Amino acid sequence: KNEVEQSPQNLTAQEGEFITINCSYSVGISALHWLQQHPGGGIVSLFMLSSGKKKHGRLIATINIQEKHSSLHITASHPRDSAVYICAVNNNDMRFGAGTRLTVKP
Amino acid sequence: DTAVSQTPKYLVTQMGNDKSIKCEQNLGHDTMYWYKQDSKKFLKIMFSYNNKELIINETVPNRFSPKSPDKAHLNLHINSLELGDSAVYFCASSRSWTGANEQFFGPGTRLTVL
Repeated sequence: KNEVEQSPQNLTAQEGEFITINCSYSVGISALHWLQQHPGGGIVSLFMLSSGKKKHGRLIATINIQEKHSSLHITASHPRDSAVYICAVNNNDMRFGAGTRLTVKP
Repeated sequence: DTAVSQTPKYLVTQMGNDKSIKCEQNLGHDTMYWYKQDSKKFLKIMFSYNNKELIINETVPNRFSPKSPDKAHLNLHINSLELGDSAVYFCASSRSWTGANEQFFGPGTRLTVL
């Protein structure tokens, strides 16, 4: 079993929908990261969290340390949000989830 | 003004060859990493260097040898390439390797072994 589990694996939404991607982990961490990988392949760091909640534009990330769970929310989704979203945890090194492939249709 | 750069972006080579991928960061970070992303898009850490010293070496065949001439560079040399080495290799850097540190990724190098 992977130390970092994401769900769902694939997600298709209509433009404007509210999106939630979940991440659960089983190890102690110093931080949790949400990464975005576009079809072109580049990886961008969206958030780094060690507690609470962060917001950047239409993106919101939350973490519950006691439950070892994090969520990434996208409000008013847009086709340009289509990408793979990867959850990763810092535990001396980085451990990655398998990613969630999001497709937002116009 | 690329923060983390990798060369080459694409690399196609024959089995048995030796090849290198170069990585440079201009962020002044102390820590650099190599990750491998397989065909299923799963990322795994390979190596981590802090101030030119190896701190993480995951279960990677010894055909892979990282070299860090200074803390701004971490190159990856691969000997006797095998079909299974085909993947995208990402370099990344962070301010330090302890605690919570945002990682900055290079654009990736797509290696295809024929």
